[in-house]
Amino acid sequence: QSALTQPPSASASPGQSVTISCTGTSSDIGSYNTVSWYQQHPGKAPKLMIYEVTKRPSGVPDRFSGSKSGNMASLTVSGLQAEDEADYYCSSYAASVTYVFGTGTKVTVL
Amino acid sequence: EVQLVESGGGLVQPGGSLRVSCAASGFSFNSYWMSWVRQAPGEGLEWVANIKPDGSDTYYVDSVKGRFTISRDNAENSLYLQMNSLRADDTAVYYCATSASHSWSYWGQGTLVTVSS
Repeated sequence: QSALTQPPSASASPGQSVTISCTGTSSDIGSYNTVSWYQQHPGKAPKLMIYEVTKRPSGVPDRFSGSKSGNMASLTVSGLQAEDEADYYCSSYAASVTYVFGTGTKVTVL
Repeated sequence: EVQLVESGGGLVQPGGSLRVSCAASGFSFNSYWMSWVRQAPGEGLEWVANIKPDGSDTYYVDSVKGRFTISRDNAENSLYLQMNSLRADDTAVYYCATSASHSWSYWGQGTLVTVSS
């Protein structure tokens, strides 16, 4: 149950795009289409942004998109806005009803 | 409106016990898997435990197996986490969350558990 690997930080200017990677193994990301992504502002609870790799919950802007290839998943935020500045975490099912989160990425809007 | 409200956090000595609770409203609690997820100060998220809608099965991260017990009372729309043999590295904000499609849609505001002498 090792954490998924994310870059510690990412940044881009308003209106640009930023992509965050999430690297796992063949036992988690590589075996299941269950990657989800969470946005967390300081002092707040996480918010679901993407589930089942590419699906967006109601109310999440279509600027947020997800993808997966092999053991790696990615979250892309297009048309970056100031309110997108937050920590982002990926997660994946990891068999036997266990789950693993990513190490987290701090996104900065320059 | 879905609401999840955690309570019961606080300061406990190493080796001690604590039970945190989560009061749910605004949805059919007895139809949902529920989870506890924690976050140590300044650290990332960690899944802790899951429980089936009827409470018949439970699942845990290895680091809490044998020490923590997740349970629920569907009549009271409540979720619980009994934590025994607490260690310093259990210090964290504990969130309850609804679990569906292998993700967590709704989260509470969290309750802080501090394990320290």
